[in-house]
Amino acid sequence: SAVISQKPSRDICQRGTSLTIQCQVDSQVTMMFWYRQQPGQSLTLIATANQGSEATYESGFVIDKFPISRPNLTFSTLTVSNMSPEDSSIYLCSGGQILNNEQFFGPGTRLTVL
Amino acid sequence: QQQVKQSPQSLIVQKGGIPIINCAYENTAFDYFPWYQQFPGKGPALLIAIRPDVSEKKEGRFTISFNKSAKQFSLHIMDSQPGDSATYFCAAAGSGNTGKLIFGQGTTLQVKP
Repeated sequence: SAVISQKPSRDICQRGTSLTIQCQVDSQVTMMFWYRQQPGQSLTLIATANQGSEATYESGFVIDKFPISRPNLTFSTLTVSNMSPEDSSIYLCSGGQILNNEQFFGPGTRLTVL
Repeated sequence: QQQVKQSPQSLIVQKGGIPIINCAYENTAFDYFPWYQQFPGKGPALLIAIRPDVSEKKEGRFTISFNKSAKQFSLHIMDSQPGDSATYFCAAAGSGNTGKLIFGQGTTLQVKP
């Protein structure tokens, strides 16, 4: 298994600003993903964080709004840009090995945009 | 079709009961079916997972039953305890070997003492 940490755990931000969320895995993983979860709802995949190359975004999510970096096999960042109240949500990072599909999640970052 | 449909939305059982949560999928390319448990304020935790080559998998009090022909799978929690009260998500992966998980809508389980 993999242990995943995220920073910050929560934040309250002003409209129009940007926030970068960090995801750290305690071991090298071949897969890293970013999800969004509205309170009481299911998880929606934002993008696949690709090591050393541009992230692969799901329908409805764009790089200008959610730039992602993954410089190595244990670390990734997600930036929520030009935030609006609609971006208030829980953002979750996951990681795992493509060989067995097992994915482990971080504790999430609870974002509130005023 | 990439959806995974999960039911029921919520479930209340007495301690010792056996809650059953069901999921159905359409995409026959899916070949990995995990269940996650999520407590309030926490990230989802991988509970148990199954692949289509077996019809049942058991880990402790948690059992997955898998019906490949019906494209359905379910989670059974034996001897449920109040500490099992959480939200449970089924998921599916495997299409294109990208590792991407498609999640069901979630089931909120309450186990009464």
